[in-house]
Amino acid sequence: DAGVTQSPTHLIKTRGQQVTLRCSPKSGHDTVSWYQQALGQGPQFIFQYYEEEERQRGNFPDRFSGHQFPNYSSELNVNALLLGDSALYLCASSLPTGGRETQYFGPGTRLLVL
Amino acid sequence: ELKVEQNPLFLSMQEGKNYTIYCNYSTTSDRLYWYRQDPGKSLESLFVLLSNGAVKQEGRLMASLDTKARLSTLHITAAVHDLSATYFCAVDMQYSGAGSYQLTFGKGTKLSVIP
Repeated sequence: DAGVTQSPTHLIKTRGQQVTLRCSPKSGHDTVSWYQQALGQGPQFIFQYYEEEERQRGNFPDRFSGHQFPNYSSELNVNALLLGDSALYLCASSLPTGGRETQYFGPGTRLLVL
Repeated sequence: ELKVEQNPLFLSMQEGKNYTIYCNYSTTSDRLYWYRQDPGKSLESLFVLLSNGAVKQEGRLMASLDTKARLSTLHITAAVHDLSATYFCAVDMQYSGAGSYQLTFGKGTKLSVIP
């Protein structure tokens, strides 16, 4: 049973560029959440997708956007990258019970903005 | 705004010793999670605590939840080197009427077990 997968594993971008990160949920899960984890910090909730719609959003600017596809996979897009966007981006999937089931995390994408 | 505080943030302990990590949160919630993260890795789910007084144990780790005190503890018994990792607690909370919840994490406790 494949767990949550993410791509790419590492990424280097420069300020002002745009980036797209991808996530495939665990088999049987259709709710996907995205988190940003800065170095030495706990993960911070960005947003959650269910039924191809953004259901919940954390305190992140509109530069952060996402999408969920009919096969439940998801993308996180970040525009106009800032140095402060450098972080580990984690995707988590869960069953569709309002997100109150345990969230299973993927390996993450480490983004470095220069 | 929900705040989740863990202490200590750093913990160095000898093998064989016992210790407790504390997780306080600021708003009523009846569900709390503990995760483990190894360096450069993702988060691994350890426990989910679903109600007041819940206690769960797995190996040398035991977690408990007191919703009235808004406190969870992660107790380590007879630590071994393999337990070295960062441990996060996370609280879920409903933020809208849509029935959806989101996790708020503490800053984590970095545990080093020294032989």
